[in-house]
Amino acid sequence: KAGVTQTPRYLIKTRGQQVTLSCSPISGHRSVSWYQQTPGQGLQFLFEYFSETQRNKGNFPGRFSGRQFSNSRSEMNVSTLELGDSALYLCASSLVRGGDTQYFGPGTRLTVL
Amino acid sequence: KNEVEQSPQNLTAQEGEFITINCSYSVGISALHWLQQHPGGGIVSLFMLSSGKKKHGRLIATINIQEKHSSLHITASHPRDSAVYICAAATGGGADGLTFGKGTHLIIQP
Repeated sequence: KAGVTQTPRYLIKTRGQQVTLSCSPISGHRSVSWYQQTPGQGLQFLFEYFSETQRNKGNFPGRFSGRQFSNSRSEMNVSTLELGDSALYLCASSLVRGGDTQYFGPGTRLTVL
Repeated sequence: KNEVEQSPQNLTAQEGEFITINCSYSVGISALHWLQQHPGGGIVSLFMLSSGKKKHGRLIATINIQEKHSSLHITASHPRDSAVYICAAATGGGADGLTFGKGTHLIIQP
């Protein structure tokens, strides 16, 4: 069974631009969570989607948004990029939501110049 | 808000040593995850536990719900165990999702 895939793997943007990241979960997994990892803050929860609905949201500004499609694939969008948005963005999928075992993708490394 | 503390932050040991990494959290949780992250960013889920003890190969994870504390042990450590180990607390589908510790950077020297 294929693992979690994320595209693109690397991305360079400039301040003020917007970006869309994509995540394809393991086949059959209905929950997709997104995380931001930075050297200063470590891993932080962004949001969780289950059955096309956002179930949980972390403490991030409204510039960060996401959605999930009927095939469980998910996208996250960051608008009006800031330098501090430079980070590794990870998605993880699980069979069910909540505290189930999470399977992580390789991440998208976003650099904002 | 759940606070998750890990110790030590950095650990260097010799091959073959018994390793212990600790994780404490401040509020009740539904599950505690242990994750392993190698250079390059890939994260692997090692354990998810809500009580007692789990073992997988040379890795053992324990949790004490009353004391709000979990430990990850590595027996007969090997250089390939060198990685960052992260614990994360799940609050049972609450608004915070997973709350992560800062990670323990482990280096096993041959």
